[in-house]
Amino acid sequence: SYELTQPPSVSVSPGQTARITCSGDALPKHYAYWYLQKPGQAPVLVIYKDTERPSGIPERFSGSSSRTTVTLTISGVQTEDEADYYCQSADSSGIHWVFGGGTKLTVL
Amino acid sequence: EVQLVQSGAEVKKPGESLKISCKASGYSFTNYWIGWVRQMPGKGLEWMGIIYPGDSDARYSPSFQGQVTISVDKSNTTAYLQWGSLKASDTAMYYCARHEQGVSGNHYYFGIDVWGQGTTVTVSS
Repeated sequence: SYELTQPPSVSVSPGQTARITCSGDALPKHYAYWYLQKPGQAPVLVIYKDTERPSGIPERFSGSSSRTTVTLTISGVQTEDEADYYCQSADSSGIHWVFGGGTKLTVL
Repeated sequence: EVQLVQSGAEVKKPGESLKISCKASGYSFTNYWIGWVRQMPGKGLEWMGIIYPGDSDARYSPSFQGQVTISVDKSNTTAYLQWGSLKASDTAMYYCARHEQGVSGNHYYFGIDVWGQGTTVTVSS
């Protein structure tokens, strides 16, 4: 079955830049979406179609794509950004959607 | 405002049946796929499946095919997730979510833009 691969954890200090990667074979043809989830809360969309930012999401969140890897970048990380981050897309058929395993961002 | 409001927490015994709901409002219900995502305690998000309310075309993750049923009531703009016989391993948080998919340029897109608040299901003897 299709998989999206994320690092389990990323740690940064406040004010630094955090980069979270997501790899999958279908990503050159299929856009990725990124969600953050804080404890006890529903996920929230932060990036869609690889690079687009929904209204209300701070400008420090950005997305990029290169071949089979997409990257979520958080510039000037704040303590409130500490959360689990998930990428999501679909397999090559477009029928089965999938989430990455999630990355826990720790702001030291 | 687009909203998905889910039914309340459930506590069930193994072998019992269950149907949880997700009431949609603020958009044209029949024009968007709607589906379900599982999150087991302390674990990540798992995509379960989706349904298109316009024609009730449903698609399931291989992991959940045959284990659950996704349905809709167009007249009430409500989606449902149903189990015929619950297991302890079904204990989890379940989120309904509005899905979008299509083609943009030379890329396809498959994503979720709106989430419900979640329904906790606990299965224990």
